[in-house]
Amino acid sequence: DVKVTQSSRYLVKRTGEKVFLECVQDMDHENMFWYRQDPGLGLRLIYFSYDVKMKEKGDIPEGYSVSREKKERFSLILESASTNQTSMYLCASSFRQRIAKNIQYFGAGTRLSVL
Amino acid sequence: SQQGEEDPQALSIQEGENATMNCSYKTSINNLQWYRQNSGRGLVHLILIRSNEREKHSGRLRVTLDTSKKSSSLLITASRAADTASYFCATAAFNKFYFGSGTKLNVKP
Repeated sequence: DVKVTQSSRYLVKRTGEKVFLECVQDMDHENMFWYRQDPGLGLRLIYFSYDVKMKEKGDIPEGYSVSREKKERFSLILESASTNQTSMYLCASSFRQRIAKNIQYFGAGTRLSVL
Repeated sequence: SQQGEEDPQALSIQEGENATMNCSYKTSINNLQWYRQNSGRGLVHLILIRSNEREKHSGRLRVTLDTSKKSSSLLITASRAADTASYFCATAAFNKFYFGSGTKLNVKP
């Protein structure tokens, strides 16, 4: 079974803090994704990566950055957390580089509250 | 935008009844996928239907795709209380996935 593990289920941070969300997958997937999920807005893609050290902006990259130093790990960084970044963050991975043709496997999510 | 939109937003049925959810999208796709999300958890893939397929079955799930109408439907037959979850369609094109905002299904025992 594919396992996508997000380091925290719940996080509470203060405005202005630097926040790291970590995601690890154990299936040697090339593609990894970060989404945020808000009520009524569905899932919105923040960033994705199709290889180590490669990254592509999604639909809402502002205020976020990412790091992919190893194939199995994809980190989402909030440089200076703001209250409008309070959300559920979901990491996903998929096999091969043909993103549109593949199933995505999701982690359990990190619910981030920025106070 | 490419984003799929599910309809209805919420659906409440009795155990044993069938549940039908619809998804509409705007542009050409490679495939369309349905995912399920239990409350507060990640999404789990249910079924994928390719753009050249019209219908697909998996257990109690039946998915149809009408590319001329840019729409898909997910039918869950003989629903169970354990089917209570949110269901999302995802359209895949141009190297990206687009998820709708989901249908929240409540199956009452």
